[in-house]
Amino acid sequence: QSALTQPRSVSGSPGQSVTISCTGSSSDVAAYNHVSWYQQHPGKAPKLMIYDVNKRPSGVPDRFSGSKSGNTASLTISGLQAEDEADYYCCSYAGSFWVFGGGTKLTVL
Amino acid sequence: EVQLLESGGGLVQPGGSLRLSCAPSGFTFSNYAMSWVRQAPGKGLEWVSAITGGGGGTYYADSVKGRFTISRDNSKNTLYLQLNSLRAEDTAIYYCARPVVPAAMSAFDIWGQGTMVTVSS
Repeated sequence: QSALTQPRSVSGSPGQSVTISCTGSSSDVAAYNHVSWYQQHPGKAPKLMIYDVNKRPSGVPDRFSGSKSGNTASLTISGLQAEDEADYYCCSYAGSFWVFGGGTKLTVL
Repeated sequence: EVQLLESGGGLVQPGGSLRLSCAPSGFTFSNYAMSWVRQAPGKGLEWVSAITGGGGGTYYADSVKGRFTISRDNSKNTLYLQLNSLRAEDTAIYYCARPVVPAAMSAFDIWGQGTMVTVSS
C-alpha cells in the first residue's frame, strides 16, 4: 500500500494552466479507471473535483479536467483563479483498498 | 441536504481505545459503502477503512489492520470505527466519507467535517 507520487508544489499565474501529475503502479493507477482528485483548502474537508479519471461532479467548473496514461494520472486546471490555491490530492482504487498521493500545494502567483 | 457528522474524537493515552461515530443524513445510508479517511496534522490524506452497504465486507489499510474495526448499524443509521491499541502516529483528523455511487470502489464525494483524535500521554 505505497502512496502515489505527486509533486510537492506547483504554481501558476491567474489565467494560466497548470498540470499536476500523480504516479502510481501497475497495481493501482494503471489497473483501474478509478482515479480521483480532491481539493482541500486549509481547515476544510476535502472536495471531490474529478472521479473515474475524467468525470466532473456536478458544480465543479469545467476548468478542471483529468486524464490518465499508463501508471500516471494528471489533473489540469485551466484559467487559474485565486480561489484555486489549495492542496490537491490524487487517489486510486487498488483492489480492496484506496491509496492517496502525498498532496500538491498549488500556489496562484 | 446530504451530510455526514462525525463524533467521538478526543485525547487518549497510547495503548488506549476510542470509538468514532458517523451519522449520515439526506440519503439512504444502507445503500452505500462507507469509508474512513484520516489526516495527520500538516500531512496528507490516508484511507483507513471501508465497509460495504450491508456490512458484510470490511477492508483496512495495513497501518491499522488488527487494531481498528469498522462497523455499521443500518437500523440506527450510524457508521463506527473502533480504535484500539492506539499509537502516537494515529493522531489525526478522522473523516467519514461516502462514495459518488453506492459501489464500494467509487470516489468519495461527501465528507464529514472530521473528528480529531489525539494520542498522547
